[in-house]
Amino acid sequence: QQQVKQSPQSLIVQKGGISIINCAYENTAFDYFPWYQQFPGKGPALLIAIRPDVSEKKEGRFTISFNKSAKQFSLHIMDSQPGDSATYFCAASSENRDDKIIFGKGTRLHILP
Amino acid sequence: DTGVSQDPRHKITKRGQNVTFRCDPISEHNRLYWYRQTLGQGPEFLTYFQNEAQLEKSRLLSDRFSAERPKGSFSTLEIQRTEQGDSAMYLCASSFGAGANVLTFGAGSRLTVL
Repeated sequence: QQQVKQSPQSLIVQKGGISIINCAYENTAFDYFPWYQQFPGKGPALLIAIRPDVSEKKEGRFTISFNKSAKQFSLHIMDSQPGDSATYFCAASSENRDDKIIFGKGTRLHILP
Repeated sequence: DTGVSQDPRHKITKRGQNVTFRCDPISEHNRLYWYRQTLGQGPEFLTYFQNEAQLEKSRLLSDRFSAERPKGSFSTLEIQRTEQGDSAMYLCASSFGAGANVLTFGAGSRLTVL
């Protein structure tokens, strides 16, 4: 059972454009939603995270939008740059239940120069 | 401390052989996680430790897999009688405190079973 569903599987965006990656979850016990970025040959690294008490969180060019009623959240990368080309994973966990982080299948993002 | 270290980075073995991976977490981190990642997939949870106690194991962790963290510092993941389906990247991550805090991942140990 896939607890976190991520789309699209791959994404190509022109330099300067907006990259949007979507995730959906089923488990209403989830209360922590991080995004991880992974470059080839490296482990994933935390990019940005949100908790369900806010609908949006912005850090530089990266924004998470969160819709609790729809059980969906998305990552927006503004002014996308070639250096943003990587695989992005959404994830979720239940901090209240001291639970592990569950990852989506990932989105391979390629920014055209 | 330069982050989470994993060794070896690459391991090629024949089916039926045993392999062991080592993870050295960030020194002040009390939690240590093992994940498995196959091509085109996200990391799949295998097991995690808080200090030396193994708190949870995934159904993915068959009886051929065993993990230890003997003194609450480094951890080992052993796979006995390897199968071709075990070929994957084995990722170690560590975190500080309770709850699913920020995970710091190592670069992973890639296993190829021939």
